[in-house]
Amino acid sequence: GDSVTQMEGPVTLSEEAFLTINCTYTATGYPSLFWYVQYPGEGLQLLLKATKADDKGSNKGFEATYRKETTSFHLEKGSVQVSDSAVYFCAPQNSGGYQKVTFGTGTKLQVIP
Amino acid sequence: DAGVIQSPRHEVTEMGQEVTLRCKPISGHNSLFWYRQTMMRGLELLIYFNNNVPIDDSGMPEDRFSAKMPNASFSTLKIQPSEPRDSAVYFCASIQGRSNQPQHFGDGTRLSIL
Repeated sequence: GDSVTQMEGPVTLSEEAFLTINCTYTATGYPSLFWYVQYPGEGLQLLLKATKADDKGSNKGFEATYRKETTSFHLEKGSVQVSDSAVYFCAPQNSGGYQKVTFGTGTKLQVIP
Repeated sequence: DAGVIQSPRHEVTEMGQEVTLRCKPISGHNSLFWYRQTMMRGLELLIYFNNNVPIDDSGMPEDRFSAKMPNASFSTLKIQPSEPRDSAVYFCASIQGRSNQPQHFGDGTRLSIL
């Protein structure tokens, strides 16, 4: 079945540090790839997405590139802020009729001033 | 536009009681998902509806759990009887019917069974 491997957290960084959260996946077919973010007390919300190989998704300074050859979708940000403290989920989503999403375990990021 | 609306936001009840969680998806979304989130297991898919029909309920943990979607704008997740191990945050999410669209999550119901 489909699966996602995310780097385990928590990840603690100082403000303005560089962030990488690794994500690799296995999936049947050609999935769309998503990163979701969850702030305390809230549901998950879309951070960015990529729908085909070599696409780069970006939002709020975060970026991730769809690497089909390595089945990876690593999340990066050049300079994190305290407000980026949250849990991040990598999520491939089936193409076709059943849009099942396989969520990773989530990586908790804590940014300290 | 209103997002996915879940109620109640918090529920505390005693073991053995019936619990009903409610969800209103985004208008025009034709797929709905119920998830459970715990520290131990992370985010688990419980059930998936498409056009109000249950398509995948393989994640429903036991017969004590049931879910319905009587129309396109309302779904319920019921636990009867509830047990302390059901304590978790339950999320509802909806999606428009194309595979490259993201899921939209509600803010969840935090359920505590004493």
